[in-house]
Amino acid sequence: EAQVTQNPRYLITVTGKKLTVTCSQNMNHEYMSWYRQDPGLGLRQIYYSMNVEVTDKGDVPEGYKVSRKEKRNFPLILESPSPNQTSLYFCASSLLPPGQGILGSPLHFGNGTRLTVT
Amino acid sequence: GESVGLHLPTLSVQEGDNSIINCAYSNSASDYFIWYKQESGKGPQFIIDIRSNMDKRQGQRVTVLLNKTVKHLSLQIAATQPGDSAVYFCAENWGGSEKLVFGKGMKLTVNP
Repeated sequence: EAQVTQNPRYLITVTGKKLTVTCSQNMNHEYMSWYRQDPGLGLRQIYYSMNVEVTDKGDVPEGYKVSRKEKRNFPLILESPSPNQTSLYFCASSLLPPGQGILGSPLHFGNGTRLTVT
Repeated sequence: GESVGLHLPTLSVQEGDNSIINCAYSNSASDYFIWYKQESGKGPQFIIDIRSNMDKRQGQRVTVLLNKTVKHLSLQIAATQPGDSAVYFCAENWGGSEKLVFGKGMKLTVNP
């Protein structure tokens, strides 16, 4: 089944303890992205990747890192989590960057990781 | 999950009615638009998309209408069912950008 898989689904941690949220897609998509979703603020992009070894900042990159060593994986790293990073996180992928291609290229999302930092 | 629906405008409809969800987009240079559905505890799910060279596109029970003059996008759901209850988001991409920008969303509640 074509899907974007995130792990873990739920994570509770303490301030300053490094963590990684994994994301994997099995659709051979070039483009991958991380979003955070907060009530009243909607979905905001953290980082995105156009292809292997190509990453770029989104709208809210502070406090996060990513890597794209393989096409299928795009982990999100919080080196020193803080309470303001408590949020619902989504990984997404698309064949091409959104909007490219004749018909466009919609993002496909994982089921989310709910992170709580105390 | 449930917190996604907080602070959002809500549309309540009766089962079997048609629903219309509206979205005003921000950038006149946007040329690609997508509607997503998000159910409680799940990630956004792709419903339908449309390019700016089209005014209308139909899917199964859904129709997206694009009015570029007033920068307005709408999603019509025919014969709404309880399973359609969710939060709906529009998203836009402007030519040359590698990003999707999402609207705040609207919560649709279908009453049996």
